[in-house]
Amino acid sequence: RKEVEQDPGPFNVPEGATVAFNCTYSNSASQSFFWYRQDCRKEPKLLMSVYSSGNEDGRFTAQLNRASQYISLLIRDSKLSDSATYLCVVNMDKLIFGAGTRLAVHP
Amino acid sequence: DARVTQTPRHKVTEMGQEVTMRCQPILGHNTVFWYRQTMMQGLELLAYFRNRAPLDDSGMPKDRFSAEMPDATLATLKIQPSEPRDSAVYFCASGLGGSYEQYFGPGTRLTVT
Repeated sequence: RKEVEQDPGPFNVPEGATVAFNCTYSNSASQSFFWYRQDCRKEPKLLMSVYSSGNEDGRFTAQLNRASQYISLLIRDSKLSDSATYLCVVNMDKLIFGAGTRLAVHP
Repeated sequence: DARVTQTPRHKVTEMGQEVTMRCQPILGHNTVFWYRQTMMQGLELLAYFRNRAPLDDSGMPKDRFSAEMPDATLATLKIQPSEPRDSAVYFCASGLGGSYEQYFGPGTRLTVT
């Protein structure tokens, strides 16, 4: 079993749609969690940290469920510019990256 | 706008040749990471340094790869000899201590023929 697992997608959604990604992790002792975004042929960039209480940044909401060991990212009112690969990242003494979920937003 | 820089951006070489990739972390960042990304394996951590000391290189093939930080402004990753399976994008990232927020460089796209 991989340490961090994500649905690879792709998720193809129209502009304005709401889309959710899930990610599961294997190590219950993991301490911190992040979502990174990676555009095609570019470097990953931090999108947001994920806190136990859940957190929101504009159209993006991240949640953590420690009991079930999963993290989610919700994107509301999708924009064309949201098209990218979203990487789930878990801190297990070092950052472990999921393989990413690809999102394609179309007009 | 502080950024991590990497050179070269692209490298094509023949099997058996030595490859050296360089990274300049963001000034003031004391933690430097080397990652490799392929379609099959995704993003893998190869090694990382804190205050120039290697903390973990367990992800790195020891027989052919080596990583060093000659000073606080330069990190290097060497492959000798290179093999076709080393073809990948190599990213360097830097951060501050244990914050784990990492800033990635643009990557070196390596092709070994």
